[in-house]
Amino acid sequence: EVQLVESGGGLVQPGGSLRLSCAASGFTFRSYWMHWVRQAPGKGLVWVSRINSDGSSTNYAASVKGRFTISRDNAKNTLYLQMNSLRAEDTAVYYCARDTVTLNDAFDIWGQGTMVTVSS
Amino acid sequence: DIQMTQSPSSLSASVGDRVTITCRASQSISSYLNWYQQKPGKAPKLLISAASSLQSGVPSRFSGSGSGTDFTLTITGLQPEDFAAYYCQQTYSTPRTFGQGTKVEIK
Repeated sequence: EVQLVESGGGLVQPGGSLRLSCAASGFTFRSYWMHWVRQAPGKGLVWVSRINSDGSSTNYAASVKGRFTISRDNAKNTLYLQMNSLRAEDTAVYYCARDTVTLNDAFDIWGQGTMVTVSS
Repeated sequence: DIQMTQSPSSLSASVGDRVTITCRASQSISSYLNWYQQKPGKAPKLLISAASSLQSGVPSRFSGSGSGTDFTLTITGLQPEDFAAYYCQQTYSTPRTFGQGTKVEIK
């Protein structure tokens, strides 16, 4: 079964750090670009970051650039999001998603999400 | 950045109704437009890619059209399981922006 499973969310104080993980299974992880998307409580979807298949190229939303770092370990079939200098406005469910070039780069597989709460 | 504007932000409809949601891009995105469905507490699900390509397993009552800057998602014969939020997304350029969403509620 093709699957993405996020972990690592939780409660963190403002200014703190957290690392999210996304474990992939059921497909050739190293062949796909991957993304992080977040959703604040009661709000819409917001794209956060992207990494290419070998990890050599990354992009970030302006709101997280310089604070978040996306990375991947293709040997472990795992995507990461290192989040530093967290702010209250980073509170959201974070989803990882697979980008499929044959579908015009649509996000065809999503994880179940992991909740990050930034609060004192 | 390309801005995606969906309308309406919410709508009330009855089972069996025909529902249309529109999405407008701030610049031409060719057919790099996708539609997602999201139910409460669940991850988004890809319905349509490349403006009009229905994903495998998605009921044929869903359809998409458009190119350039104006796009439409149509649900013909709304079913109880279709009450959800719907998002458009452009994958023409980075950042991969989403519309603000349309919530389809039961009338």
